[in-house]
Amino acid sequence: QKEVEQNSGPLSVPEGAIASLNCTYSDRGSQSFFWYRQYSGKSPELIMSIYSNGDKEDGRFTAQLNKASQYVSLLIRDSQPSDSATYLCAVNLDSSYKLIFGSGTRLLVRP
Amino acid sequence: GAVVSQHPSRVICKSGTSVKIECRSLDFQATTMFWYRQFPKQSLMLMATSNEGSKATYEQGVEKDKFLINHASLTLSTLTVTSAHPEDSSFYICSARDGLLGYTFGSGTRLTVV
Repeated sequence: QKEVEQNSGPLSVPEGAIASLNCTYSDRGSQSFFWYRQYSGKSPELIMSIYSNGDKEDGRFTAQLNKASQYVSLLIRDSQPSDSATYLCAVNLDSSYKLIFGSGTRLLVRP
Repeated sequence: GAVVSQHPSRVICKSGTSVKIECRSLDFQATTMFWYRQFPKQSLMLMATSNEGSKATYEQGVEKDKFLINHASLTLSTLTVTSAHPEDSSFYICSARDGLLGYTFGSGTRLTVV
């Protein structure tokens, strides 16, 4: 079982819609969770971090964490074509500072 | 904000030669840096954890004699790909912890071995 799992997609949504991206992780002791966006050929850029159960909102982005079910999700409201990218879920494993990435979900926002 | 500078951004080398990639934290001290490798259409795979003043910790399956990591100061970690071969061609990305559990990434190095 992979430590961090994501659906590879592509997830295609029309402009203005809500895009929902999901991620599950295997280490129940994980404490920190991150969503990164990566454009082709570029380095990942941080969108949001979340550390406690519940929702965390930042502009058009909402991260949701459920430690009991071991999943973390990212909602993108009012999706724009410029949001088209690969979204990477990353988890900080318990007792180490290592950041482990999922395989990423490719999002396509259709104009 | 925290900035990590990675150089070079692109490098082409001949098979059998060595390539050094530098990763610098510009405005903070990084006791721990990480090196990732990313093949096309795949995710970032952690190669090793670089600790200032001590030996790097390599992930399973990563050859430590091939991928030499040096973290001699609080602001600089280097990755040297020794005796590079075409299968080492990849996108190499460094990351540094900038305190408070934050991670900052370098801009990446595209290595092509011909």
